[in-house]
Amino acid sequence: DAGITQSPRHKVTETGTPVTLRCHQTENHRYMYWYRQDPGHGLRLIHYSYGVKDTDKGEVSDGYSVSRSKTEDFLLTLESATSSQTSVYFCAVGRGESREQYFGPGTRLTVT
Amino acid sequence: GENVEQHPSTLSVQEGDSAVIKCTYSDSASNYFPWYKQELGKGPQLIIDIRSNVGEKKDQRIAVTLNKTAKHFSLHITETQPEDSAVYFCAASIDTGNQFYFGTGTSLTVIP
Repeated sequence: DAGITQSPRHKVTETGTPVTLRCHQTENHRYMYWYRQDPGHGLRLIHYSYGVKDTDKGEVSDGYSVSRSKTEDFLLTLESATSSQTSVYFCAVGRGESREQYFGPGTRLTVT
Repeated sequence: GENVEQHPSTLSVQEGDSAVIKCTYSDSASNYFPWYKQELGKGPQLIIDIRSNVGEKKDQRIAVTLNKTAKHFSLHITETQPEDSAVYFCAASIDTGNQFYFGTGTSLTVIP
């Protein structure tokens, strides 16, 4: 599992509330990623990080922000959750020359 | 950006038969093509990958082939077993790049 944990594993929240998801890794990888998984869309990249305080947008970044203040932690924040952000969120680390993606167990988020 | 298409979306095979899943990509600059297996309630797991300087790669019962000219790559599973039942995702990226583009997934069922 590449030493990745995600918290919480499940969350139900109301529209308009802020939500923060945490990804923690124990193997000191430089690259970390946040994806969302939805039926019919596969996995889509939200944001990624290539070092402490170094982040960039993926293909579906609107409505999300990220922070990385320590190598081991990568936080995903929904400033004001919407129903369209109901999804399963996966964190990944990138290993090796090709940044092979190794995924965490996921967080199921429901916005009501 | 890159567009990865994956077929079929569902596949049922008898135990012992072979299964083939196909993906196409649009960006000729893509040169790294991993395949992932996702079991219910878990994160995707890397099972095999191929780079554009190789036409075929095997690992026991699984193999991947790549046709750069046609921009398509395929996953082959031989002698299927019930534990092969899962959702499989293909992906494409540019080696040393930071964005992975995933197909929409194939749900494989192996019937005992």
